[in-house]
Amino acid sequence: EVQLVQSGAEVKKPGESLKISCKGSGYSFTSYWIGWVRQVPGKGLEWMGIIYPGDSDTRYSPSFQGQVTISADKSISTAYLQWSSLKASDTAMYYCAKQGYSGYDSWFDPWGQGTLVTVSS
Amino acid sequence: EIVLTQSPGTLSLSPGERATLSCRASQSVSSTYLAWYQQKPGQAPRLLIYGASIRATGIPDRFSGSGSGTDFTLTISRLEPEDFAVYYCQQYGRSPRTFGQGTKVEIK
Repeated sequence: EVQLVQSGAEVKKPGESLKISCKGSGYSFTSYWIGWVRQVPGKGLEWMGIIYPGDSDTRYSPSFQGQVTISADKSISTAYLQWSSLKASDTAMYYCAKQGYSGYDSWFDPWGQGTLVTVSS
Repeated sequence: EIVLTQSPGTLSLSPGERATLSCRASQSVSSTYLAWYQQKPGQAPRLLIYGASIRATGIPDRFSGSGSGTDFTLTISRLEPEDFAVYYCQQYGRSPRTFGQGTKVEIK
């Protein structure tokens, strides 16, 4: 079974750094792009970016470029999303998702369970 | 960036009724690159349809997708109690990939 398991909820203060994770299993981790999607409470889905773990090729949405860093460690089948300095506006649920097709242009399937990040002073 | 506009924002229907959800793109999207997802409260989104009309594995045949160019439709032929949720369309043919703002299907 293909599965993505994300790290647990985080509560941070503005200005702190954070790295959340997404571990893939049940498939060839290096052969499929993995993406990150933000969902602010009560709002819709926002596509943040994707990474190809095979060679760490990474693409960002212009809205998130420079705001976050997406990375992957293929030796442990894990993708990451990190912030160097959190803001209150980063408070959201963050989902990772595997692309359903091994090519670049693909839908997301399946999704991780989500990691809730709360940033508050 | 391709903007996807979903309508209506909320659809109030009864179980057994037919639901028709619209997703309109600001630029032409190849039908190969349009997906639909379902999200229930407290859950991650789930893929329903990809390639505009191909049902994902395990998705009941009451769900169907259609459309091309800038106009796409998700139809639920007969609503079951478990279908009341929020539905999102997504285009994955142009960067950045984008989602619609969602349509909530609620019980009337």
